[in-house]
Amino acid sequence: RKEVEQDPGPFNVPEGATVAFNCTYSNSASQSFFWYRQDCRKEPKLLMSVYSSGNEDGRFTAQLNRASQYISLLIRDSKLSDSATYLCVVNTNAGKSTFGDGTTLTVKP
Amino acid sequence: NAGVMQNPRHLVRRRGQEARLRCSPMKGHSHVYWYRQLPEEGLKFMVYLQKENIIDESGMPKERFSAEFPKEGPSILRIQQVVRGDSAAYFCASSPPGGGHPYGYTFGSGTRLTVV
Repeated sequence: RKEVEQDPGPFNVPEGATVAFNCTYSNSASQSFFWYRQDCRKEPKLLMSVYSSGNEDGRFTAQLNRASQYISLLIRDSKLSDSATYLCVVNTNAGKSTFGDGTTLTVKP
Repeated sequence: NAGVMQNPRHLVRRRGQEARLRCSPMKGHSHVYWYRQLPEEGLKFMVYLQKENIIDESGMPKERFSAEFPKEGPSILRIQQVVRGDSAAYFCASSPPGGGHPYGYTFGSGTRLTVV
């Protein structure tokens, strides 16, 4: 079983749609959680951290469920520029981060 | 306010040659991580270093690959006797003390290695 699992997609949605990605992790000792975005094989960029209380940044909402060991990302009012691969990332206090294989989103006009 | 600097951006090597990839972390960051991304695959952890110390090399292939982060200068990922299967994008990331917890990483633009 992979340490971090994501639905690879692809998710193809029209502009303005709401789309949700889920991610599960296996290490119950994990302490930090993130969503990164990767465009066209460029470097991953930190999108947002994920907190137990849930957090929102504009059209993006991230949630963490420690009991079920899953993380979610919700994108509202999708834009063409949201097309990318979204990476779920889990970190233990040992420092190393483990990346999921990513979920590909394509937003179409 | 330079970010994580990797060079070269593109590297072409013939089978059997050596490849040296360099990474300078962001100012103030003392932790460096190397990840490899094969074509059409996700990012795979290779090694985690602090200055003059390898903290975790659980993702490094047992042979031909080595990494260092000397007291002075950039971190180096070295691949000896490259084979076609080494062709990939190699990303370096850095973080402040505390590792990726709780701040996450900043990545460099990567080195695309092509073995011909």
